[in-house]
Amino acid sequence: GQQVMQIPQYQHVQEGEDFTTYCNSSTTLSNIQWYKQRPGGHPVFLIQLVKSGEVKKQKRLTFQFGEAKKNSSLHITATQTTDVGTYFCAGVDNAGNMLTFGGGTRLMVKP
Amino acid sequence: DAGVIQSPRHEVTEMGQEVTLRCKPISGHNSLFWYRQTMMRGLELLIYFNNNVPIDDSGMPEDRFSAKMPNASFSTLKIQPSEPRDSAVYFCASSSSRGLAGRSTDTQYFGPGTRLTVL
Repeated sequence: GQQVMQIPQYQHVQEGEDFTTYCNSSTTLSNIQWYKQRPGGHPVFLIQLVKSGEVKKQKRLTFQFGEAKKNSSLHITATQTTDVGTYFCAGVDNAGNMLTFGGGTRLMVKP
Repeated sequence: DAGVIQSPRHEVTEMGQEVTLRCKPISGHNSLFWYRQTMMRGLELLIYFNNNVPIDDSGMPEDRFSAKMPNASFSTLKIQPSEPRDSAVYFCASSSSRGLAGRSTDTQYFGPGTRLTVL
């Protein structure tokens, strides 16, 4: 079945440093979504990417969908303590199967 | 608009007791999901309903777990008897289904979760 892998599992950064998490799928995706879960909170939808090579930005966050639509990345520029949390990608394959979540990347930011 | 509502928010029980978790999805959503989250296993999908019908329960760990959705606005996840290894945060999420064969491909909206501790 469809598998979605994320790396790294954990990342410690100093406030102000950049951060990137990568998402890889075993199958071609029709779309990919990103979610953020704050400590003690629940996953909250951030964005959806649909087109090959698509790039979207939300302030300091840049989301990219790979040309082959099998991978995606989330890049945070100049991290802040408010960026702390776990970032999940979730993909839908071309067969229209269910949204499948990756294992998440837990980001910790040292002030 | 109210989001997904879960109750209770916290539950502490003793091993062997029955536990019932409740969820009210967002009005108009026709897909409902139960997830379990632990440090060791991350976010695991337990069961998924579409139009109140269970579509995929392959993630339910064992017979001690059961889930129902008697109507479009209510679902329960029951653990009987509970064990310490069931301690986790249980999330309910809902979405609109637009995929094939009732597969939900749309954005999922998560509830605040129920933190379950089994002593």
